[in-house]
Amino acid sequence: GQNIDQPTEMTATEGAIVQINCTYQTSGFNGLFWYQQHAGEAPTFLSYNVLDGLEEKGRFSSFLSRSKGYSYLLLKELQMKDSASYLCAVRDAGGQTGANNLFFGTGTRLTVIP
Amino acid sequence: DTEVTQTPKHLVMGMTNKKSLKCEQHMGHRAMYWYKQKAKKPPELMFVYSYEKLSINESVPSRFSPECPNSSLLNLHLHALQPEDSALYLCASSQVIGDRGWGQYFGPGTRLTVT
Repeated sequence: GQNIDQPTEMTATEGAIVQINCTYQTSGFNGLFWYQQHAGEAPTFLSYNVLDGLEEKGRFSSFLSRSKGYSYLLLKELQMKDSASYLCAVRDAGGQTGANNLFFGTGTRLTVIP
Repeated sequence: DTEVTQTPKHLVMGMTNKKSLKCEQHMGHRAMYWYKQKAKKPPELMFVYSYEKLSINESVPSRFSPECPNSSLLNLHLHALQPEDSALYLCASSQVIGDRGWGQYFGPGTRLTVT
């Protein structure tokens, strides 16, 4: 089975830094993704980790520790437009089909306040 | 072209209607997916097609019937739905395993309301 946990809601101030944590216990692992989803819109890809360590992309960074089943998404210099849900998703090994199935956490709703 | 398109954007249907959702991508991806997303919940995987063959059916009721006519198209046929089936239906596509890549690309979704 798949168990992926994130905080339900977070609030942070414009210009600040926020860290969104994700812990997972899954039957297979072939990478962890972070997606951003604004209300009523489709998820959009933010970052990908398959090896331990930090991946940085502009204002967004993501960290993975496979031994701890833990990841975080770090957002710097927060902007009002960053208010959205942030979804942690684990990709399984795909089995024989080759397709890579994503299992999503419950998502963290981030509100950025002035 | 990194876009997944879905039609229609909105659909209202009665419980006795038959309708279809359509999804298209031209990124050469050989895996395509249907997800269902209820308000304030994460997407839930419904179906996975790999090389145009259905590989995963996550215990979805038979009133949902997927079809993959070719590597660019994915349909979801709907029949005799229930009001609780009202949700955002998301299509996604990806490379198959082996691509270090970028996970799944999502379409904008079809917002379905069953009356």
